[in-house]
Amino acid sequence: GAVVSQHPSRVICKSGTSVKIECRSLDFQATTMFWYRQFPKQSLMLMATSNEGSKATYEQGVEKDKFLINHASLTLSTLTVTSAHPEDSSFYICSASGPRGYEETQYFGPGTRLLVL
Amino acid sequence: QKEVEQNSGPLSVPEGAIASLNCTYSDRGSQSFFWYRQYSGKSPELIMFIYSNGDKEDGRFTAQLNKASQYVSLLIRDSQPSDSATYLCAVNMRSNTGKLIFGQGTTLQVKP
Repeated sequence: GAVVSQHPSRVICKSGTSVKIECRSLDFQATTMFWYRQFPKQSLMLMATSNEGSKATYEQGVEKDKFLINHASLTLSTLTVTSAHPEDSSFYICSASGPRGYEETQYFGPGTRLLVL
Repeated sequence: QKEVEQNSGPLSVPEGAIASLNCTYSDRGSQSFFWYRQYSGKSPELIMFIYSNGDKEDGRFTAQLNKASQYVSLLIRDSQPSDSATYLCAVNMRSNTGKLIFGQGTTLQVKP
């Protein structure tokens, strides 16, 4: 149980285009989803926290107009990287708060590797 | 002082040995503690969580929590080369926003 999927797993795009990444909790409902970014050989960096039906809370230094988060349902959150540039190339990972009784536990998706040319 | 601290390693142990990974945290009111394993190029996967002082065992893994010392550890018995990965300690702090504060991770190398 507590499986989280992400789509796509890998995306290559041209500079200036927008990319949407989906995060789904497959076998449970997640009240909260989190988006992280990880550069090579660095630790996870939390970008934002999203709760179903409300606006995401962004971490300091993360541009909310560049990284649009929509948490449409208890099983789906999307991250859109708008007007992507090469410096946005990174490993984007979502996580979901666990099912009832495990809400404090975060379960991670497999990640999306973004390369902006 | 970092909120969650881990020795970055690498920690190298021979196959079959016990690997001991340590983590300290700054917020004395922290309630829940997690260990994740991250293989190179992959996302983190949950190994264990622990909420109460003492030991919690799951197979070859034992998590140990000492809230008085603000210390949590992970022991891996009978270490295997497949255990070679980065181990992330994460803490849900007193504010309980649901956010986890992660340590930098300890790289474990298990040598055959």
